Amino acid sequence: DQQVKQNSPSLSVQEGRISILNCDYTNSMFDYFLWYKKYPAEGPTFLISISSIKDKNEDGRFTVFLNKSAKHLSLHIVPSQPGDSAVYFCAASALFGNEKLTFGTGTRLTIIP
Amino acid sequence: ETGVTQTPRHLVMGMTNKKSLKCEQHLGHNAMYWYKQSAKKPLELMFVYSLEERVENNSVPSRFSPECPNSSHLFLHLHTLQPEDSALYLCASSQAGQNYGYTFGSGTRLTVV
Repeated sequence: DQQVKQNSPSLSVQEGRISILNCDYTNSMFDYFLWYKKYPAEGPTFLISISSIKDKNEDGRFTVFLNKSAKHLSLHIVPSQPGDSAVYFCAASALFGNEKLTFGTGTRLTIIP
Repeated sequence: ETGVTQTPRHLVMGMTNKKSLKCEQHLGHNAMYWYKQSAKKPLELMFVYSLEERVENNSVPSRFSPECPNSSHLFLHLHTLQPEDSALYLCASSQAGQNYGYTFGSGTRLTVV
């Protein structure tokens, strides 16, 4: 049973446009959500997070939105840049903090110059 | 050295071999993790060590044996693996109670022949 789902395995976006990556979860106990970015031959790196007490968190070009009633979160990247091409993983935790993250399958984002 | 270091980066082993993966973190974290990443699957949590004690073993076959001699080092001992165990094995560390997510190593790409 996959508790964190990223239904789009890949996404292509023109440079300068907005990239929107989606993530759904089923476990209502999750209260902390993170996005990780992964380049080939490297480990995932932390990008941005959001606590369930918020519905939006912004960091530069990256914004994460959380819709608790729909159990859905999304990552917006604007404007998209070629260096954003990577695999993006959504992750969730049931404790406040970073213990035991449950990951999605990832979405490969390709930014087209 | 900074961050989380994994060695070797690549490993090819036969099904009858015994090998070990090594992970070292230089961040002063008190928890370490082994994850397995297979194609088109979520990152799968294998083992969790908190304060050098194993706190989680997610039904991992006994042919994988973890060892955490101290808070900075984590090993994954491998023996009599199967071809389906070929994957990217990622080590991560964290500081419990801090919302900065995990810091991942670059991973070991394991191929079982």
